[in-house]
Amino acid sequence: EAGVAQSPRYKIIEKRQSVAFWCNPISGHATLYWYQQILGQGPKLLIQFQNNGVVDDSQLPKDRFSAERLKGVDSTLKIQPAKLEDSAVYLCASSFPGTGHYGYTFGSGTRLTVV
Amino acid sequence: GIQVEQSPPDLILQEGANSTLRCNFSDSVNNLQWFHQNPWGQLINLFYIPSGTKQNGRLSATTVATERYSLLYISSSQTTDSGVYFCAVGRGRDDKIIFGKGTRLHILP
Repeated sequence: EAGVAQSPRYKIIEKRQSVAFWCNPISGHATLYWYQQILGQGPKLLIQFQNNGVVDDSQLPKDRFSAERLKGVDSTLKIQPAKLEDSAVYLCASSFPGTGHYGYTFGSGTRLTVV
Repeated sequence: GIQVEQSPPDLILQEGANSTLRCNFSDSVNNLQWFHQNPWGQLINLFYIPSGTKQNGRLSATTVATERYSLLYISSSQTTDSGVYFCAVGRGRDDKIIFGKGTRLHILP
């Protein structure tokens, strides 16, 4: 099966600019996650979708971050305006719960550098 | 929230050696996964193991849910095993998973 697709792979922007990341999960995976991984740390969940509804966005900085999953398939994560501390790798993952197969599959990530 | 502690933080071994990585967690969980992050940053799911023992080639994992820990065993290490190993846990099977800080493993040729 095809994996989780993410784009772009790399992005460099100036602070206060905006940026968007795209994720296409594995076909049929109802649950989609966006994680932020700062260098040297473990991934931190930003938002979890079940189909096109938000399950958990408690750690999403909503004053600058937004995410949507229209039609319950692809998802976009946006940062506006970006800050220096947003420099990180943004990882998308999907899973197919309810079938006994709860393992996550991660995409390759988008490495964001804010200068 | 649930706390996840991994040990050791760093491990350097010669090729062919065996290793044991540990994950302790602070609360009952119904979701526990082990991941390998390779030097290029790709996270690979190794095991979904909220309880019991599983094996996949040279890797095996055991979770003792009642004592709130999980172990990842790597036998006959190869240089391609280098990277960071993460343990991640969640309360419910469908809940978000919380990652530990990882164990950085470096296998010397």
